[in-house]
Amino acid sequence: SQQGEEDPQALSIQEGENATMNCSYKTSINNLQWYRQNSGRGLVHLILIRSNEREKHSGRLRVTLDTSKKSSSLLITASRAADTASYFCATEPGGGNKLTFGTGTQLKVEL
Amino acid sequence: ETGVTQTPRHLVMGMTNKKSLKCEQHLGHNAMYWYKQSAKKPLELMFVYSLEERVENNSVPSRFSPECPNSSHLFLHLHTLQPEDSALYLCASSQDFFGEQYFGPGTRLTVT
Repeated sequence: SQQGEEDPQALSIQEGENATMNCSYKTSINNLQWYRQNSGRGLVHLILIRSNEREKHSGRLRVTLDTSKKSSSLLITASRAADTASYFCATEPGGGNKLTFGTGTQLKVEL
Repeated sequence: ETGVTQTPRHLVMGMTNKKSLKCEQHLGHNAMYWYKQSAKKPLELMFVYSLEERVENNSVPSRFSPECPNSSHLFLHLHTLQPEDSALYLCASSQDFFGEQYFGPGTRLTVT
């Protein structure tokens, strides 16, 4: 069964609004990563958060991790049309040796 | 530009053809990966190489054959593929094993 699952599957917002995406996983992890993918292109790494970290920021991005609930969230503040993309979480399980991706959240930011 | 290049960007091949996908990373990374991305499915890890040695093969059919001649180059040799193998094939590299990964733009493969 897949390790990370994003929620919602699709999200449509207006430019300037905040976008929140969630990721749930099943087993203990070493780290959790968020990636962005523009249509038909490669993935771009956004943030890596380790299991002993609770929150991390990068520009307009904020990632939280709750290991007790086995969940993470990605917040994009003051969204822009250029943020339109698919967003994936990926988890490295506690035993290592693997990185498992979810099916992604498709974000559309409208002008 | 992530420092990882892939060629070709698009490939159409018949089921009896033999072709190869090429990946090159200019980042000095130690690990390289092949992923398959199909519509509506999670990204599937196919092969992992660390320091030119294969360390992971996720039960990939033998019609896919990887080759890593040095730490900067990774190939995926294809032969007698099936239509269900049509997908976006992504190459990635990382400094640390399964750390932050840098992806290439992908090869869009169509098997007819």
